[in-house]
Amino acid sequence: DAGITQSPRHKVTETGTPVTLRCHQTENHRYMYWYRQDPGHGLRLIHYSYGVKDTDKGEVSDGYSVSRSKTEDFLLTLESATSSQTSVYFCATLQGDRTGELFFGEGSRLTVL
Amino acid sequence: RKEVEQDPGPFNVPEGATVAFNCTYSNSASQSFFWYRQDCRKEPKLLMSVYSSGNEDGRFTAQLNRASQYISLLIRDSKLSDSATYLCVVTPSSNTGKLIFGQGTTLQVKP
Repeated sequence: DAGITQSPRHKVTETGTPVTLRCHQTENHRYMYWYRQDPGHGLRLIHYSYGVKDTDKGEVSDGYSVSRSKTEDFLLTLESATSSQTSVYFCATLQGDRTGELFFGEGSRLTVL
Repeated sequence: RKEVEQDPGPFNVPEGATVAFNCTYSNSASQSFFWYRQDCRKEPKLLMSVYSSGNEDGRFTAQLNRASQYISLLIRDSKLSDSATYLCVVTPSSNTGKLIFGQGTTLQVKP
């Protein structure tokens, strides 16, 4: 257990509203990730971070921004939510440096109406 | 072409059967390979890493074929509890902090 907490776990919002998902970890892991999971697409990387204030884009970063002001927190923001962003969002941390086991949070289910 | 591709299945097999999944990757310089397991509506969890020489963990065997750019997972003597989605994960060498998932292969083991 890597002590990863995602919040909120469930959220329903309307198109055009901003949404922020929070990932909190207690293991001081350097790397943190945000993935989204949709039927037929599996897990797709949105953004990841390799340290405080160090982030990079993944495969599906359009419409999303992230921030990491502290080692333990990685925030994912949808500036203006769209229905195509309805998904399950998973946060993960990486044990070790670059290679190793990914630990996932329990997921945040977001519905955009 | 996707960086990591898997046959989504589902694979429906009886208890006791042997089943194999393949996963292909497009970046020949990829460095690290893993299999994760995901139960319905749960988060993925590491099943096993895949080493160049192949490796085995109980009923599970993972192999890497760099020449053909695929990894495989073999499950022997399938149990009902093996029913899950199996995700292939690859670390591209261009940025080894970035892990790419295949879409997953669903296995359903029947009594």
